[in-house]
Amino acid sequence: EVQLVESGGGSVKPGGSLRLSCAASGITFNNAWMSWVRQAPGKGLEWVGRIKGKTDGGTTNYAAPVKGRFTISRDDSKNTVYLQMNSLKTEDTAVYFCATDVGPTTLDYWGQGTLVTVSS
Amino acid sequence: DIQMTQSPSSLSASVGDRVTVTCQASQDITNYLNWFQQKPGKAPTLLIYDASNLETGVPSRFSGSGSGTDFTFTISSLQPEDIATYYCQQYDNLPLTFGGGTKVEIK
Repeated sequence: EVQLVESGGGSVKPGGSLRLSCAASGITFNNAWMSWVRQAPGKGLEWVGRIKGKTDGGTTNYAAPVKGRFTISRDDSKNTVYLQMNSLKTEDTAVYFCATDVGPTTLDYWGQGTLVTVSS
Repeated sequence: DIQMTQSPSSLSASVGDRVTVTCQASQDITNYLNWFQQKPGKAPTLLIYDASNLETGVPSRFSGSGSGTDFTFTISSLQPEDIATYYCQQYDNLPLTFGGGTKVEIK
């Protein structure tokens, strides 16, 4: 059974930093492409970025609103993907989900999400 | 970026009704389209991929169709447990983008 468990959410002031983690089980993690998707309160879904599996180069891609501020990395020895968030803005307030591509499409398994609140 | 325009934004229907949601892409995405269901306070779950393929374990009352820029999601007979918000999402190009969502309620 595929399981993704996010952690690390919390409250932070504008300009601050936070690191989210997503621990995966039930998948061959080192090949897995992992994404972060966020959802602001009462709003729709917004893709944040993705890291490919090591066998595909481990490259990263980001959405424009977070590029240069957020960094996705992975530790295959811990089956964990990270989202380092710097220079946080109030508009980054959201539930952050990690998701993976296991089957023939993208984002087919999701974690339960972790809430990040950016407020002064 | 590819814009995904989903309609309606909300609908109310009776149990047993046929429900249809449309999603239009701002450019040709072939059939690289997912449909997700999200219940309040929960993560989205994948229902349909490649525009028309039912994910394993998803009830057959859910279906999808379309290609190119125009797509349709249908619930053939609405059930009480289908109350949720539904999203389309394209994976033809980065950034991955979602429609604005359709909130389905029971009349």
